[in-house]
Amino acid sequence: LAKTTQPISMDSYEGQEVNITCSHNNIATNDYITWYQQFPSQGPRFIIQGYKTKVTNEVASLFIPADRKSSTLSLPRVSLSDTAVYYCLVGPGGTGRRALTFGSGTRLQVQP
Amino acid sequence: DVKVTQSSRYLVKRTGEKVFLECVQDMDHENMFWYRQDPGLGLRLIYFSYDVKMKEKGDIPEGYSVSREKKERFSLILESASTNQTSMYLCASSSGGPGELFFGEGSRLTVL
Repeated sequence: LAKTTQPISMDSYEGQEVNITCSHNNIATNDYITWYQQFPSQGPRFIIQGYKTKVTNEVASLFIPADRKSSTLSLPRVSLSDTAVYYCLVGPGGTGRRALTFGSGTRLQVQP
Repeated sequence: DVKVTQSSRYLVKRTGEKVFLECVQDMDHENMFWYRQDPGLGLRLIYFSYDVKMKEKGDIPEGYSVSREKKERFSLILESASTNQTSMYLCASSSGGPGELFFGEGSRLTVL
């Protein structure tokens, strides 16, 4: 299984860009990288997913280098409501039947 | 929108009781998962299922069993609840494609 490593916590201020990096050295060829956001007392929710290079949606960007051994979630101009725990998940595409196991996550605290 | 519904948001049980946690999804997803979440430990996978009547152990299956008799329903069973099973339990489902998971709201179980 592709184990992921993230920083335990990060602090930022409103309006700043936040970059959270996840290491996944033994990522498999058919694995995708997915990021989730979790608020207290709620289930995690999907933010963004990618396979290689760069992916951007309305809330975040995901940067994946050519060797795919790490990935960086970029949150532009964070606000107080972005305070949450962010999880990086590496898992198979297609009909892969491997378990999807989360790392410990990164607790982001946004200050005013 | 995909909906994953967990039967109970809060439960209080006594040591030794048998506990059933039910999860239903409405998007015809093949894969379903049970996680538990404890402070400082992130999400840990208990069991997952990729088809009806199929189940696979996750990282922490001890003390738990599961049942998947219908595609839309995945049940987590604690045969004899213990205090160390006090936790937040999260159910998730996904299609056969890349690993976007849809989570329920969670069931907070307290075992006295």
